[in-house]
This record gives sequence, C-alpha cells and structure tokens, in this order.
Amino acid sequence: DQQVKQNSPSLSVQEGRISILNCDYTNSMFDYFLWYKKYPAEGPTFLISISSIKDKNEDGRFTVFLNKSAKHLSLHIVPSQPGDSAVYFCAAPPRAGGTSYGKLTFGQGTILTVHP
Amino acid sequence: GAVVSQHPSWVICKSGTSVKIECRSLDFQATTMFWYRQFPKQSLMLMATSNEGSKATYEQGVEKDKFLINHASLTLSTLTVTSAHPEDSSFYICSAGRLADYEQYFGPGTRLTVT
Repeated sequence: DQQVKQNSPSLSVQEGRISILNCDYTNSMFDYFLWYKKYPAEGPTFLISISSIKDKNEDGRFTVFLNKSAKHLSLHIVPSQPGDSAVYFCAAPPRAGGTSYGKLTFGQGTILTVHP
Repeated sequence: GAVVSQHPSWVICKSGTSVKIECRSLDFQATTMFWYRQFPKQSLMLMATSNEGSKATYEQGVEKDKFLINHASLTLSTLTVTSAHPEDSSFYICSAGRLADYEQYFGPGTRLTVT
C-alpha cells in the first residue's frame, strides 16, 4: 500500500519558470510532511516541511502547499534554476506526540530537470 | 548541525565476501538510525530500523541474516552485507533522526559493487 504517492516520475521546466511537484497521501493520520532533494550518488537533503496546522510554508524560492481535504501537497520552486535539477521526494513520518519521530514513508520521487 | 557520515563512500568486493558500511551521526545522538537501499531510477527502499542497544527491525522481504545491523552506540550503526552477490550491488543510504524534530538526516550514501 503506497501511502505517499508521487504520480509524476519526471518534470521538465525552463529556467526561470515555476516548477510544481505534486504529492498525494492516503493516510489521514499523517500530520507532517517533508520534501527532500536528492542528487545522483548522494544522500537526500532536507528541503522544506509543513505541518498540518498550516496550509502553506515558504522558504526562499521554495513553497509547499498542503490541501488536507484533498490529501494533497505540492512543492513550488520559483524561479527554477538548473541547479535545482534533482530527484524530489515527499515524505511523511508517523503521527507522534510531537517530540519523537519514526521511519519516514517516502513517495516514489519526481525527477526534475531544469533547462537553461 | 545534524551531520551524518557514511564510510566508505564506495566499495568494490568479490562475490562471497562480506562488506561493512558505517553510519555515524557526527554532532547529535541518534537512538534510531535507518538503512535504505536505492536501485537505479527507483525510490528509497527502507531495509531496516537500527535501534541502539537492541536488535534491528527489518522490513518485510529483507534478509536479516544477510544484512547484519549493529547499533552499538548512540552515534554509530553498521550494516554488514554478508556473502555478497552481484544482485546486492546498490546504493546504500543511512539516516538518523533527532528527538527534537521530525526530520531525518541522511548520510551521503555508499555505492556497493559486487563483482
């Protein structure tokens, strides 16, 4: 059962334009979401997160939107840069008491390519 | 802060030998670490959860006798691939989390090639 899904395996965008990466989830118990970026032959690096008490979180060029009723989140990158080309994973930890964590459930990843 | 290292970064071994991969949290204590495997063009696959001072918890389908995990201290977990075969060739990544937040911090990964 794929509880976190990224249905687009790849996305190609022109430099300077907006990149929108989507993620859907089925487990309504998830209340926190993370986005990771991964370059080939490297470990993922944390990008941005959002709590279910919010519907938007912004950090520089990166904004994550959460639609709880649709169980959908999206990562917006604007303006996109060639260095943003990587694989992007959304992930969710199990619900916890706020001070603990557990194994993350990852989406399949989306390969973003930003063309100069 | 929250740096995780892995050693070695890449290793080539002969079929039938064993290989040990280390995962260290450099500036925080991690009671739990996670080991992932990534095949080309595929997502991260969680192999096991490594708990300090106790046995690891393996995901379904992962052979615990083949992938030995030891978490001897709050900053070190090791994954030993025993009797390696070419199909074990993959990219192995560990992660560790702090109790203070939900984030997991990933190591840079280890590329294992079994010839």
